[in-house]
Amino acid sequence: DTGVSQNPRHKITKRGQNVTFRCDPISEHNRLYWYRQTLGQGPEFLTYFQNEAQLEKSRLLSDRFSAERPKGSFSTLEIQRTEQGDSAMYLCASSVAGVYPGELFFGEGSRLTVL
Amino acid sequence: KQEVTQIPAALSVPEGENLVLNCSFTDSAIYNLQWFRQDPGKGLTSLLLIQSSQREQTSGRLNASLDKSSGRSTLYIAASQPGDSATYLCAVRPDSNYQLIWGAGTKLIIKP
Repeated sequence: DTGVSQNPRHKITKRGQNVTFRCDPISEHNRLYWYRQTLGQGPEFLTYFQNEAQLEKSRLLSDRFSAERPKGSFSTLEIQRTEQGDSAMYLCASSVAGVYPGELFFGEGSRLTVL
Repeated sequence: KQEVTQIPAALSVPEGENLVLNCSFTDSAIYNLQWFRQDPGKGLTSLLLIQSSQREQTSGRLNASLDKSSGRSTLYIAASQPGDSATYLCAVRPDSNYQLIWGAGTKLIIKP
């Protein structure tokens, strides 16, 4: 098991373009989380899945953001019509639901720069 | 509403010193608390997780304590090394079905 994998690691795009990030969780982890982190701040929760069901979405997740986990394995986070304020590190984490204590394991993140 | 605070925001100490990082939270009803390390431009590495029923956890030179009644957790690092330089974040999970509530982190610099 190689841990949580995120791709691409870095993405530079022009304002108005669409971008997609992929997250492959640790195998057999049924929960998958997306967070956003800006410089000097702690991560901000965006959304999470249990298997293929999206159970919670933060109000930070505007209608330009969409996340999917179609088969309950990998997940994608798409940002449409990117804005400069979307520049951040996008972090994915996974865990096992129903197993105490519910430790989260994070990937290396995908850094987005919107010019 | 649960809030998590980490003070100081930055700390610089000479190599070899023992040090303590602080994390405070406003609501004592928590499920667990997790300490993470983050190197510049990297993701988060889980260091220690303390269950609500525990008072401390140890891993190598790291020891994390939890005092729910006072709303505090500390991360003790023994015999600090330059490789310990990183940002340390704590996060509280209010219950098993809720997302983590994060502190802003303490940036630690260990001077050789």
